[in-house]
Formats: sequence, C-alpha cells, structure tokens
Amino acid sequence: TQLLEQSPQFLSIQEGENLTVYCNSSSVFSSLQWYRQEPGEGPVLLVTVVTGGEVKKLKRLTFQFGDARKDSSLHITAAQTGDTGLYLCAGQYAGGTSYGKLTFGQGTILTVHP
Amino acid sequence: DTGVSQDPRHKITKRGQNVTFRCDPISEHNRLYWYRQTLGQGPEFLTYFQNEAQLEKSRLLSDRFSAERPKGSFSTLEIQRTEQGDSAMYLCASSPRPWEQYFGPGTRLTVT
Repeated sequence: TQLLEQSPQFLSIQEGENLTVYCNSSSVFSSLQWYRQEPGEGPVLLVTVVTGGEVKKLKRLTFQFGDARKDSSLHITAAQTGDTGLYLCAGQYAGGTSYGKLTFGQGTILTVHP
Repeated sequence: DTGVSQDPRHKITKRGQNVTFRCDPISEHNRLYWYRQTLGQGPEFLTYFQNEAQLEKSRLLSDRFSAERPKGSFSTLEIQRTEQGDSAMYLCASSPRPWEQYFGPGTRLTVT
C-alpha cells in the first residue's frame, strides 16, 4: 500500500507568520500536486511539480519537490487570513498505470488568525 | 469553460435506497475520475474513465457501486442499497493530462 504522509495535520498561526507543510512517502512520484479545499467544495489545483529538485512559486506560496521525488513541501510567507483552508498534497506514483489516479495525503487544516 | 459541474450538490437518502450522481467534465477533457472523501481525510480514488472506457476501478468500488460514461462526455455514479458507511463527499475530476486534474464541487451524500 502506497501512503502519503502529510504534516502537520493542524496549523494555527497569526497573520504575518510563515509556515511550511510537508508531504512524504517511501515511494517515488512521477508527479505531485498541491490542492487547496474550502469547506463543502472540491479541491482546487495550486501547482504540479514533476522534476526532482523543482521549485515553483505562486505569489507567497513556494512549492518544492525533493531531489529523489519522494517528498514535497509547501511554504507560505506572511500568511493572510485568506490563506485559511485545507491543503492537500496528492501524487501519482512512478511505476503505476499511466492513468494518473491520485493518492492524497490526509491534509493540513490551516487557520490564520487576524 | 465553466469548469467541472456535479449534480446534485447534496443528497439525503435512507439506508437501502439507490442514488445516482452526475458529473459534467470540462469539455474536451477525455479523462474523468471519481473520488470519495470522508470527513477529515483526503479524497480516495474510486474509478477512471478515458473517453467512454472504464479503465481502472479501486477495490473501494464494491458491487453496489457502478459508474458509466456512455458517450465519453458526462458520467454517472450509482450506489445501490446505500449503507450508512457510504456517507461521504463524492468528487469528480476531469483532466486533459494525467498530472492536471480539475475537481468539481462534489456531491455530499448523507445516508440516514
């Protein structure tokens, strides 16, 4: 069974602070995605990383893919209350089918207080 | 491009009843996925269609579950003889490429 461990599960911070969410597996990914989900809605794709060591930036969000393609991180700089939500990492494992099914982590619930 | 749509958004049913959900993917996306998400967990893969062909099914998809994509456009997911354990958010996603999936708003199923 392929597992995607996401940490921390909960994160409560003040506006303006920085934070990092981690996503780890013992298996190699062919690609990894980060999503954000609001209550009662579907996940919204933030970024896809496919190359080991890749770093992508989306405004105050920085996404990094590990060199061995087994882990990833999401770093938010100067968090805002609008960043509050559930953050999910999801990966497609190398060696699997080419159909692209995603294996998700359990998510990180981020709360940013004003 | 109006995004992935799902209908209904909410469904409350009694145990033992059958329910059917619909997903309309982004037009021209030939890949379509169904996932199930329970409270406090990430989504879990259920099944995958490429055009009208169902190419992969999870072991989570018991005999009571069936999915179709008759003309390679919209898809339906039916649950027969619902059980309380079926209560969850059912998510549909479509994609033009495997690493780029776009999710609909989901159907929240409550089985009483």
